[in-house]
This record gives sequence, structure tokens and C-alpha cells, in this order.
Amino acid sequence: DGGITQSPKYLFRKEGQNVTLSCEQNLNHDAMYWYRQDPGQGLRLIYYSQIVNDFQKGDIAEGYSVSREKKESFPLTVTSAQKNPTAFYLCASSIDSSGPYNEQFFGPGTRLTVL
Amino acid sequence: AQSVTQLDSQVPVFEEAPVELRCNYSSSVSVYLFWYVQYPNQGLQLLLKYLSGSTLVESINGFEAEFNKSQTSFHLRKPSVHISDTAEYFCAVSDNNAGNMLTFGGGTRLMVKP
Repeated sequence: DGGITQSPKYLFRKEGQNVTLSCEQNLNHDAMYWYRQDPGQGLRLIYYSQIVNDFQKGDIAEGYSVSREKKESFPLTVTSAQKNPTAFYLCASSIDSSGPYNEQFFGPGTRLTVL
Repeated sequence: AQSVTQLDSQVPVFEEAPVELRCNYSSSVSVYLFWYVQYPNQGLQLLLKYLSGSTLVESINGFEAEFNKSQTSFHLRKPSVHISDTAEYFCAVSDNNAGNMLTFGGGTRLMVKP
């Protein structure tokens, strides 16, 4: 089955620790995205990548970092510099980013809680 | 810059009643509009989309949305809801200036009661 997987489903972190959220897709999509979801605020774009070895900051990139070493993988690291990291994180992908009509496919999400 | 406003954060409704979830957008160019649905603790799934052509678009599970350019709206409707429609619904917009970037509204939680 083709799709997007995210792991872990739930993640707990102590303050001051970095954590990495995994996102893998087997859809052969060029573009991948990371969103943060908070109640009542919809989804906000953290980072996106249009092609391997390239990525750009989204609206709320501070305190986060990403890498795109392989087409199918786009891990997100939440660093200790992120002041309020408790949220639901969603990864998505699309065939490419050349047009506004390409549907984005979403993974099941990772819920991060800072203790 | 684009923006999306979903006017209702929560919509309670009884089973088999009609429902409308409102979405208004702002953009200076031609837009592409999407409705996504999110069931509890899951990712988003595309419900329907407007790219061009007929302003009325339908999903396979009975939802429909109408693109109204003059009112800059893309409201989602269903004539008779089921308990299984309980979920959060997100309206999103993209345009030619944004590439494939989506701007999401704040979401509307639809709560269907028996």
C-alpha cells in the first residue's frame, strides 16, 4: 500500500531535549511538508522540501530543523530552542510543487508532549 | 497574501439534519479551494476540491461545496448528516502565486448527535 507513515504516534520529551519525528513516504512524491497543528489555529507550515537535498522555511520554522537526504524521507527535529513544542505534527507530500492543484497527502501525525 | 476564515469553530447538529460549514477566503488572484476532513487523532484526508469549471463540487459521501467568487466563499454542505461525519473539517486555499502551498483555516468541529 502506498502512503505516508509517521513515527512515533505519541512522543514525550523533557524540557531541554531535542527530539526527531520520522516521516516516510512511498508515493514517489517530490515535495514534502511539515505542519504543526494547535487547537483552533488550523495547520501552520514549518518547513517544506521540493526536491532532495533542498528545503525552505515555512511560517514557523524557528526552533525546528529538517533534512532531506532521500526522496522518501523528511525527518523533523524539534530542538530545545522551540519554546512551546507541545502540539500535533503532521507530515504531507505531493507529486511536486509546481502547481497549486496538486493534492497534498497527509500522514497520521505525531503527538508531541513536553513534560 | 492569502487567508482563510472558518467562521464557526464548532457546529453541533442532530443526526439526519442538514449542515453548512462556512469558509471565506481572501486572495488577489485566481484560487484553488479544498476541504479536508480529520477524524480524531488522524491525519487529514481530502474531501473535495475546486480547481476550475463547475462551481459546485461533490464528494463521494454526500458532501458538496460551491465556489462563490463574488462572495469569496466555499461553504461545505450536506443535506443529511450521519454520526460518522463527526470530525474536524478544514478549508484550505492555494493560488498561482503560492505554488503548491496551502493556507488553512482554523477548522470547524462538526459534532453529530443522535
